[in-house]
Amino acid sequence: DGGITQSPKYLFRKEGQNVTLSCEQNLNHDAMYWYRQDPGQGLRLIYYSQIVNDFQKGDIAEGYSVSREKKESFPLTVTSAQKNPTAFYLCASSIGDSDAYGYTFGSGTRLTVV
Amino acid sequence: DAKTTQPTSMDCAEGRAANLPCNHSTISGNEYVYWYRQIHSQGPQYIIHGLKNNETNEMASLIITEDRKSSTLILPHATLRDTAVYYCIVPEPGAGNNRKLIWGLGTSLAVNP
Repeated sequence: DGGITQSPKYLFRKEGQNVTLSCEQNLNHDAMYWYRQDPGQGLRLIYYSQIVNDFQKGDIAEGYSVSREKKESFPLTVTSAQKNPTAFYLCASSIGDSDAYGYTFGSGTRLTVV
Repeated sequence: DAKTTQPTSMDCAEGRAANLPCNHSTISGNEYVYWYRQIHSQGPQYIIHGLKNNETNEMASLIITEDRKSSTLILPHATLRDTAVYYCIVPEPGAGNNRKLIWGLGTSLAVNP
């Protein structure tokens, strides 16, 4: 079955360390997205990519970095510059830039700084 | 910015219809309305979307008012597994090819036995 796989499901990081969250999709979707969700808040966009080798900052990109070397993969690195990284991270994909299609989400990665 | 307004929480008896309202009075003429739901600690799940006409799929029905300023998501026979947070979403206006969805806090629906 096609879908989006995020790994790991739970991740613990020490302060000052970088950590990379994996997102892989086999839906042949062109666009991919990273969101952050904090308790009691809506999803906030970190980065998005419409095509391979191209990506744009979202609303809260500071302290994060991404790459899009393959259509199927869109890893997110949480750097030590992110001051409050503990959150639930969600990856999504969509067919393209048409408004007629929705997003498919992964099951999320819960990152905790210890 | 186009925004949506939803009730914070709602209750529904199992087997009855759940009607979830959403106001999107600033929506522009060519923007879709999307509905997603999120079960605790999982990724959001796409439910349905519409532009002008009412829509129905295997999960739900979407009723959009003629002026497009509001919509209602209908779960015809709610089950306990429908307990989730339901999000009504419209894209950021003028985003074009860099379309971004604006996520609010949604409605927390509790389906009771």
